[in-house]
Amino acid sequence: AQSVTQPDIHITVSEGASLELRCNYSYGATPYLFWYVQSPGQGLQLLLKYFSGDTLVQGIKGFEAEFKRSQSSFNLRKPSVHWSDAAEYFCAVGAGTGTASKLTFGTGTRLQVTL
Amino acid sequence: ETGVTQSPTHLIKTRGQQVTLRCSSQSGHNTVSWYQQALGQGPQFIFQYYREEENGRGNFPPRFSGLQFPNYSSELNVNALELDDSALYLCASSRLGGGHTEAFFGQGTRLTVV
Repeated sequence: AQSVTQPDIHITVSEGASLELRCNYSYGATPYLFWYVQSPGQGLQLLLKYFSGDTLVQGIKGFEAEFKRSQSSFNLRKPSVHWSDAAEYFCAVGAGTGTASKLTFGTGTRLQVTL
Repeated sequence: ETGVTQSPTHLIKTRGQQVTLRCSSQSGHNTVSWYQQALGQGPQFIFQYYREEENGRGNFPPRFSGLQFPNYSSELNVNALELDDSALYLCASSRLGGGHTEAFFGQGTRLTVV
């Protein structure tokens, strides 16, 4: 069975600073990988996804992520954080074709942005 | 904002009662998945419905059941509610068939069991 680890429960960065949120997955084959963002009491918004091909994927709101098979990682990055980026971020893995909605999520990383 | 809508947004139930949550999928989508998100946790997959049949289930007991209707909307039913069922319930719609697609989530239903 697949699993996702987000090692950082809480991260604080200053507005304008760069950001990297870590995600490690466990799955025997090529996974489908996703990053979602959740504001308090809200649903999940898809930031970006990786299915195949180029290992550096671009998403919305200036986010990008890099798939590294050798490290089983899919870290999320943003070069300059805005105060509105404060939220909970979830990494998720889907196992195979047609399973983009049968997702295993990590426990999330809460991002705080200081002004 | 996605086209996935959930109702109600909040509700409070008593332990032992039954509850029904509803989800309307995004236009063009044929699959609905349900997730439970306890406070401070990531969402956990409950089950998925495709063509009105259950198409995969997570580690949840049979008192969690569902339906999908011909218009692809869906219901989640939970019987014999327990205090630990208190959570945000998220619905996600997607399209199976036709290549890779992602899931789009609704805003969720906050269930409190007292």
